Amino acid sequence: DAGVTQSPTHLIKTRGQQVTLRCSPKSGHDTVSWYQQALGQGPQFIFQYYEEEERQRGNFPDRFSGHQFPNYSSELNVNALLLGDSALYLCASSKARGETQYFGPGTRLLVL
Amino acid sequence: AQSVTQPDIHITVSEGASLELRCNYSYGATPYLFWYVQSPGQGLQLLLKYFSGDTLVQGIKGFEAEFKRSQSSFNLRKPSVHWSDAAEYFCAVGASSNTGKLIFGQGTTLQVKP
Repeated sequence: DAGVTQSPTHLIKTRGQQVTLRCSPKSGHDTVSWYQQALGQGPQFIFQYYEEEERQRGNFPDRFSGHQFPNYSSELNVNALLLGDSALYLCASSKARGETQYFGPGTRLLVL
Repeated sequence: AQSVTQPDIHITVSEGASLELRCNYSYGATPYLFWYVQSPGQGLQLLLKYFSGDTLVQGIKGFEAEFKRSQSSFNLRKPSVHWSDAAEYFCAVGASSNTGKLIFGQGTTLQVKP
């Protein structure tokens, strides 16, 4: 049984560019949440998707957007990248909203 | 506002010694509480969780945690630490209502001396 998978594992972009990160949830899970983890910090909640809609959002600007597909996989898009967007981006899936979240290995984004 | 505080940024223990990592939370309702572990460059692995019931919960890898409502704490313990336990540990709180947002502490880095 595959766990949560994310792609790519690493990514380097320059300021102003746009990036798309991908996540496939654990089998049987229908809810996907995204977190940003800056170096030396705990993860910060970006948003959560359920039934292909954004259900809850953390304190992140509109440059951060997402999508959930009918197969429950999800994408995180970040526009107009800033140096401060450099972080580990973690995807977590759960059987339903509020249930235990299981995390993927993350995508390490470096913005130069 | 909801928050999680892990007072110890870095802890060093000898292999075989006992371990306690502290976690204090601020939350207005009954919280869901979690401990996750992160090895360098990796994602988060769930160690244990508390939703309700027995306030002493057992997790994987020999870890346990105790929920103390009066102290707003959820400390993680292990009776005998192994070198492979060296990692970063995160405490998190979630709403007991139908939402999925987790609020994490800043983490505690555990170093294990041989």
